Formats: sequence, structure tokens, C-alpha cells
Amino acid sequence: KAGVTQTPRYLIKTRGQQVTLSCSPISGHRSVSWYQQTPGQGLQFLFEYFSETQRNKGNFPGRFSGRQFSNSRSEMNVSTLELGDSALYLCASSLEGGLGEQYFGPGTRLTVT
Amino acid sequence: GNSVTQMEGPVTLSEEAFLTINCTYTATGYPSLFWYVQYPGEGLQLLLKATKADDKGSNKGFEATYRKETTSFHLEKGSVQVSDSAVYFCALSRATGGFKTIFGAGTRLFVKA
Repeated sequence: KAGVTQTPRYLIKTRGQQVTLSCSPISGHRSVSWYQQTPGQGLQFLFEYFSETQRNKGNFPGRFSGRQFSNSRSEMNVSTLELGDSALYLCASSLEGGLGEQYFGPGTRLTVT
Repeated sequence: GNSVTQMEGPVTLSEEAFLTINCTYTATGYPSLFWYVQYPGEGLQLLLKATKADDKGSNKGFEATYRKETTSFHLEKGSVQVSDSAVYFCALSRATGGFKTIFGAGTRLFVKA
């Protein structure tokens, strides 16, 4: 089975721009979660989508948004980029009815200049 | 709220040494507990899991036991290898009401030949 894929792997943007990241979950997994990883804050939960609905949300400003499509693929969008948004963005998929384990993609490294 | 505390790194060991990385948690109810590992330039990989008190998770020579009385889930390995050098994350998750994993800060392990 193919793992979680994320595109692009690397991205460089300028302050004020917006960015869209994409995640394709493992086949059969309908839950997709997004995390931000930075050296200072560690791994922080952004949001989780299930069946095209946001089911859980972390403590991030409204500039961070996401969506999920009927095939379970998910995108997250960050508008009005700030320098502090530079991070590794990780997507994880999970099987409903599982035990809470998540399967992570390789991440998208976003650099804001 | 739920939280995970793990020992600060970095931890530096010689090959074949014994490894312990301490992890304690605070949670309501009965979460599942996990150890994830992150190798340089990659996303997180599930290393092992335990879903109820006294469960022992094990994989690739690593072990951890779910101790409810001490709210701990310490990671151990009897003989580390250079290839074990990575960052290790303790985490808890509940699979009811959606997936929202809470991660510890991570412990970086360096193993010297």
C-alpha cells in the first residue's frame, strides 16, 4: 500500500503571499490531520478532517485553513504568510475505528522570506 | 488538558549501550500511547503503541510499557545501534471524537560508533 504523500516537498514564499499544500492519505484512510513542526514549538496540531468535514481544530489563527475532498485528499492553505510560518508541515492519515495511530507523510518544508 | 512530558535531549550513547527515554503523560480517560521516530529529513514513523494499562508495545528491539499508576510510557532498548540515531516522540491519542495526537517535545538520540 502506498504511504501518505505530500506535495510539494519544499516551498519558498514571500511574506504576505499565500500557499496551498496537498496531502494524499493512505488508501482507505478517511481521516487526515495536519501538524506544524518548528524547532521552538515542536509538533502542534492544526486540524483534522474526516469525510470532508473539519472534526477537530487546534489553536491557530484563521489564516490557516484546510479542506478535504471526496476522495479523502486534503489541502491546507495559509494566507498572508508571516516569517513565523516557516516550518515543516506534516500530514497524517488514520483509519477510522483504529486505535489512534497515525501515519505521516514526509512533510512540506515551507520557508517564508 | 492532555499533555505529554518527555526527557530533554540530546541523549548521546555509544553503540550497544542501554537506552531509556522517559515519558510521562496527563490525560483524562484512557488514551492510547505511542512512540514515534523521526529520521533526518523525514516525517514521523510509528515505532510502537500500547492501548491499555500494562500493555507492552515493542518493535525493532524497542519496548515501552503503559503504566497507569505512574502515568508513564518509558522507551527502552537493550543495545542501540548507530542507525537508531533520530528524534523520538512520545504521544497520546484518543480515537473517539476524531484524531488529535498530543506529542511530547521530542528527544534527540545520537549513537556513536
